[in-house]
Amino acid sequence: AQSVTQPDIHITVSEGASLELRCNYSYGATPYLFWYVQSPGQGLQLLLKYFSGDTLVQGIKGFEAEFKRSQSSFNLRKPSVHWSDAAEYFCAVLGGATNKLIFGTGTLLAVQP
Amino acid sequence: DAGVTQSPTHLIKTRGQQVTLRCSPKSGHDTVSWYQQALGQGPQFIFQYYEEEERQRGNFPDRFSGHQFPNYSSELNVNALLLGDSALYLCASSWDWNPYEQYFGPGTRLTVT
Repeated sequence: AQSVTQPDIHITVSEGASLELRCNYSYGATPYLFWYVQSPGQGLQLLLKYFSGDTLVQGIKGFEAEFKRSQSSFNLRKPSVHWSDAAEYFCAVLGGATNKLIFGTGTLLAVQP
Repeated sequence: DAGVTQSPTHLIKTRGQQVTLRCSPKSGHDTVSWYQQALGQGPQFIFQYYEEEERQRGNFPDRFSGHQFPNYSSELNVNALLLGDSALYLCASSWDWNPYEQYFGPGTRLTVT
């Protein structure tokens, strides 16, 4: 069955430091992968997506993610975190024959001044 | 161009009652999906509507039902509410021909007491 695992429930980084959020997926074919961000009281905003091609994808707000098939991973990165990046981040995979998104449990990011 | 809108923002109901949540998709979108996000969890797919019919369904009981109107807006109905139904309910819209771009609304926070 398709699934997404986000091993880190909560991460704290200092403002200006680099960030990497981990995501592992289980999927038989080529996955369609997504990262969403959710601020308190807000819906989900799409940061970036991967379908095929270049395994390093760029998104909004300075985020990027790298697809590694050999490791079944799609980790999200940002070189320098801003206080406004504090939010919850969700990795998701789109079911192949269906159009439903399967989400991980999320990683809550806190940013220290 | 308005994005996905949901109403109401918050709702408090008593066990055993029934509730109706509403979603207006992003302009031009014809497909609406509903997700349930329990506290501390990632969103879980409830069902998806296209052409006024339920096209696919997640692992939710029949107490959860929905409807899509000719203008593509949608309702989610939950009967015989349980405490465990307390969650953030998210609506996402997309084009049928492009399920890879799902836009989420801000959600409806349902509390069952």
